[in-house]
Amino acid sequence: DGGITQSPKYLFRKEGQNVTLSCEQNLNHDAMYWYRQDPGQGLRLIYYSQIVNDFQKGDIAEGYSVSREKKESFPLTVTSAQKNPTAFYLCASIKRDGGGNTEAFFGQGTRLTVV
Amino acid sequence: GEDVEQSLFLSVREGDSSVINCTYTDSSSTYLYWYKQEPGAGLQLLTYIFSNMDMKQDQRLTVLLNKKDKHLSLRIADTQTGDSAIYFCAEKEIRGTYKYIFGTGTRLKVLA
Repeated sequence: DGGITQSPKYLFRKEGQNVTLSCEQNLNHDAMYWYRQDPGQGLRLIYYSQIVNDFQKGDIAEGYSVSREKKESFPLTVTSAQKNPTAFYLCASIKRDGGGNTEAFFGQGTRLTVV
Repeated sequence: GEDVEQSLFLSVREGDSSVINCTYTDSSSTYLYWYKQEPGAGLQLLTYIFSNMDMKQDQRLTVLLNKKDKHLSLRIADTQTGDSAIYFCAEKEIRGTYKYIFGTGTRLKVLA
């Protein structure tokens, strides 16, 4: 089945460690996005990529890094520079239809906890 | 910059109608969206409305758009306990980046 898969579902990190969250899609979508979700703050954009080998910072990119070497994959690394990384992370890919509309497909999320 | 605002909580009784409201700032938005998030899960698209429409109905869902006031609402008729979730309104930037701007989300609690 086509879809967007995030792994792992739960991730624990010790302070000072880097961790990488996986996001894979087989929908043939060009654009992929990473959002962070905190209670009462909605979704905030971390990084996005519209094509392979290209990506842009979102609103809260500090302490994060990404790569887009393949169309299907957009991993997010949470570095030790991110001071408050405990959050729910959501990956999305965008389908564009012929009418100019876009529909965002979301993964099931990864809950990262710093211990 | 663009901003999308929603109230944080809404509580209704089963069988009643729910109305979730949203205000946005980017008057050039062409599409506005409603997404649903169940606990511990990602977001699922519920419905969307094109900016030249005032209303869109899809089974129990009715979306109303007041473009002059930049106000969007989602009405759920005959609300069920399975409708309990967080509902996000979103607008899409039109500068070609396909960036979505999400609201803070409204947590809907349906009381049996």
